[in-house]
Amino acid sequence: DADVTQTPRNRITKTGKRIMLECSQTKGHDRMYWYRQDPGLGLRLIYYSFDVKDINKGEISDGYSVSRQAQAKFSLSLESAIPNQTALYFCATSDLKGSSTDTQYFGPGTRLTVL
Amino acid sequence: GQNIDQPTEMTATEGAIVQINCTYQTSGFNGLFWYQQHAGEAPTFLSYNVLDGLEEKGRFSSFLSRSKGYSYLLLKELQMKDSASYLCAVMDTGRRALTFGSGTRLQVQP
Repeated sequence: DADVTQTPRNRITKTGKRIMLECSQTKGHDRMYWYRQDPGLGLRLIYYSFDVKDINKGEISDGYSVSRQAQAKFSLSLESAIPNQTALYFCATSDLKGSSTDTQYFGPGTRLTVL
Repeated sequence: GQNIDQPTEMTATEGAIVQINCTYQTSGFNGLFWYQQHAGEAPTFLSYNVLDGLEEKGRFSSFLSRSKGYSYLLLKELQMKDSASYLCAVMDTGRRALTFGSGTRLQVQP
């Protein structure tokens, strides 16, 4: 089984709809992240969470919200989707305990299309 | 803030050596990561440097110079499967979150 899973893997929706992307991990990591990837722009950080009670905005948080339901689950919501939120979305996890280098490990991605 | 630059595209020949450069400017540095990403797939971790010098892992090596804000990823004995994008990312001391460059798309030709 994959350590970091994302659902759905693909989603097509219409402008104005509310969308939730889910991420689950079995790595036991405290830290979780949401990124979006657009052609030519690389990965950009949307939100990140260092534990269940800690949520931080990334560089492009406008139009998005998150929920850390448990250590293993981190959801990303688009309250009212717009076409320029069409992108590939990645969840990632990391761990800073012990001798860990805080390396991030990525889920398989969700391809979202907003029409 | 942070700024990370790497070439957009590179082409190399199977069996050869290629060096992908990354320069960065950051207000606080806490490590540099290289990831490999095949088209449509998740990035996968390749290497991590926090001290100056060379880290070697099989066919892949990564170098860091903190004073110059410079890193490179060296790929030896190139294989067709090495055709992918290579992402440079810097961890800052404040947020402890990664900032990624736009990636270098490497095409390996026979």
